[in-house]
Amino acid sequence: AQSVTQPDIHITVSEGASLELRCNYSYGATPYLFWYVQSPGQGLQLLLKYFSGDTLVQGIKGFEAEFKRSQSSFNLRKPSVHWSDAAEYFCAVGASTNFGNEKLTFGTGTRLTIIP
Amino acid sequence: SAVISQKPSRDICQRGTSLTIQCQVDSQVTMMFWYRQQPGQSLTLIATANQGSEATYESGFVIDKFPISRPNLTFSTLTVSNMSPEDSSIYLCSVILAGAYEQYFGPGTRLTVT
Repeated sequence: AQSVTQPDIHITVSEGASLELRCNYSYGATPYLFWYVQSPGQGLQLLLKYFSGDTLVQGIKGFEAEFKRSQSSFNLRKPSVHWSDAAEYFCAVGASTNFGNEKLTFGTGTRLTIIP
Repeated sequence: SAVISQKPSRDICQRGTSLTIQCQVDSQVTMMFWYRQQPGQSLTLIATANQGSEATYESGFVIDKFPISRPNLTFSTLTVSNMSPEDSSIYLCSVILAGAYEQYFGPGTRLTVT
């Protein structure tokens, strides 16, 4: 069975500083990987996804993530954060089945706080 | 992308009662799912909503407690039955759009059971 670990429960970053959120996964085959963001009181918004190909993927809102098979990681990065980036971030892994990701397993999330 | 709506957005219910949550999508979808997010926790898959047949439940979730219907491709309901305070959570539906592989989520239904 697949699993996802987000080792950082809470991160505080100054506005304008760079950001990296860590995600490690466990899955026996090629994983489908996702980052979602959840603002307070909101549903989940898909930031980016990795299925195959280029290991550096670009997403919305200036985010990117890099898939490193050797490290079983899919870390999320942003070069300069904005106050509006304050939210909860979830990494997820999907089983590679016919549709790709029926069995989405989520990490426990990282809460991002932005300070002026 | 698609517009995914859920009704109600929030509710406060008394223990022992039931609540039915609706999920509607404005595009063709191949799969629909229901998740639970307990306070301060991550998301847990409850079940896959299958069109015209019984839902496929994950370990720890049963049909008697969480009956699900999906009468057509773009609509599904989740009922939380015989509620207790432990059922207080956010319930989210998600979909895989036709031609896509990733899941998109609705805004969620925040349920409080007193």
